[in-house]
Amino acid sequence: SAVISQKPSRDICQRGTSLTIQCQVDSQVTMMFWYRQQPGQSLTLIATANQGSEATYESGFVIDKFPISRPNLTFSTLTVSNMSPEDSSIYLCSALVGQGAGTQYFGPGTRLLVL
Amino acid sequence: SQQGEEDPQALSIQEGENATMNCSYKTSINNLQWYRQNSGRGLVHLILIRSNEREKHSGRLRVTLDTSKKSSSLLITASRAADTASYFCATRTQGGSEKLVFGKGTKLTVNP
Repeated sequence: SAVISQKPSRDICQRGTSLTIQCQVDSQVTMMFWYRQQPGQSLTLIATANQGSEATYESGFVIDKFPISRPNLTFSTLTVSNMSPEDSSIYLCSALVGQGAGTQYFGPGTRLLVL
Repeated sequence: SQQGEEDPQALSIQEGENATMNCSYKTSINNLQWYRQNSGRGLVHLILIRSNEREKHSGRLRVTLDTSKKSSSLLITASRAADTASYFCATRTQGGSEKLVFGKGTKLTVNP
């Protein structure tokens, strides 16, 4: 299994600013992901955080808006840039333990409110 | 787009009753995973079922998978008020990327 922590757990930000969310896994994992969950909705994958290379973004998400870093096998950051109220969501970090058929674990989420 | 679709969208039962939630998906899968989310918090992994498995149990949870119908069900027996949460199914596509695609979820309320 994997225990995932995220910082901050919540934040209230002003429009136009940026916020960086940190994700720490208690063990080395092959793959890490970032998801967004808008109010009352399901989870949508933002990107796969690749260690040592650029993240792989899903349709509708771009690097300029959501830059991601993954400097090693246990840590990743997601930045929400130039925020607007539409970015108010829960952002969740996730890690895959084992390849392919492995279990995917999630962090507690970062609840972001943009005013 | 979402891979899985859960039904019902919302379910309200009394403590002690069983709760059944269903999930349908569209493509061939490698595995299907069920998660619980309490009121806007992180997701708790409940159970993983592989495409070559038909049924799995974990405590009061029973999951079935029918790949011919592209559907899965999650049964919670003898429900408790603490089971109140949203439940999501998520699929990993066979032969595709490692990403997990989520359904819309079922909001379960267990009344004491």
